[in-house]
Amino acid sequence: GAVVSQHPSRVICKSGTSVKIECRSLDFQATTMFWYRQFPKKSLMLMATSNEGSKATYEQGVEKDKFLINHASLTLSTLTVTSAHPEDSSFYICSATGTLNSPLHFGNGTRLTVT
Amino acid sequence: DQQVKQNSPSLSVQEGRISILNCDYTNSMFDYFLWYKKYPAEGPTFLISISSIKDKNEDGRFTVFLNKSAKHLSLHIVPSQPGDSAVYFCAATQGSGGSNYKLTFGKGTLLTVNP
Repeated sequence: GAVVSQHPSRVICKSGTSVKIECRSLDFQATTMFWYRQFPKKSLMLMATSNEGSKATYEQGVEKDKFLINHASLTLSTLTVTSAHPEDSSFYICSATGTLNSPLHFGNGTRLTVT
Repeated sequence: DQQVKQNSPSLSVQEGRISILNCDYTNSMFDYFLWYKKYPAEGPTFLISISSIKDKNEDGRFTVFLNKSAKHLSLHIVPSQPGDSAVYFCAATQGSGGSNYKLTFGKGTLLTVNP
């Protein structure tokens, strides 16, 4: 079945540094990728939608300059958390779909801890 | 404002019995609903979905019921098996054709099936 690989699974970084999270579709071309964030005991919240070759669409309240999303190919999207702060500590998860009528396939998520 | 609500954070059932997971939504524009299952350290995996033009969809041991007037849906698992123990997320979206675009998730319900 379709697999989405997300890397790294865990990362600890110091405040002020930047962290890049990769999301790859392994056996299908992901025309659309989504990035979610989940705080403890909260829902998965959509942060942004990225389409290959175009700028990401961010949800209201999500800072596009802080959460840089690049979807340069049909199999790879990256989320870069720039100048990370402790309040950015969260669980980030990506999902991908080949067509908008296909089930979303999720990565395993990245646990980011900013110290 | 949480548009998709799963009011039970956890549910425990005996193996072989029925598991009923509930979900309520507030946005009347939602017309496609999905259930995802999530094991620890893994991303959510698609389980079953239902369009608002239906009130029931069945796939093996899993059945989803939709009550549009009550803005309520439920997932029935029968018979429940220990391997069903996981967090179940209810999700909703709007858009014709069953698009998975921009899912809104509930907080999830942890199901534990006891042998």
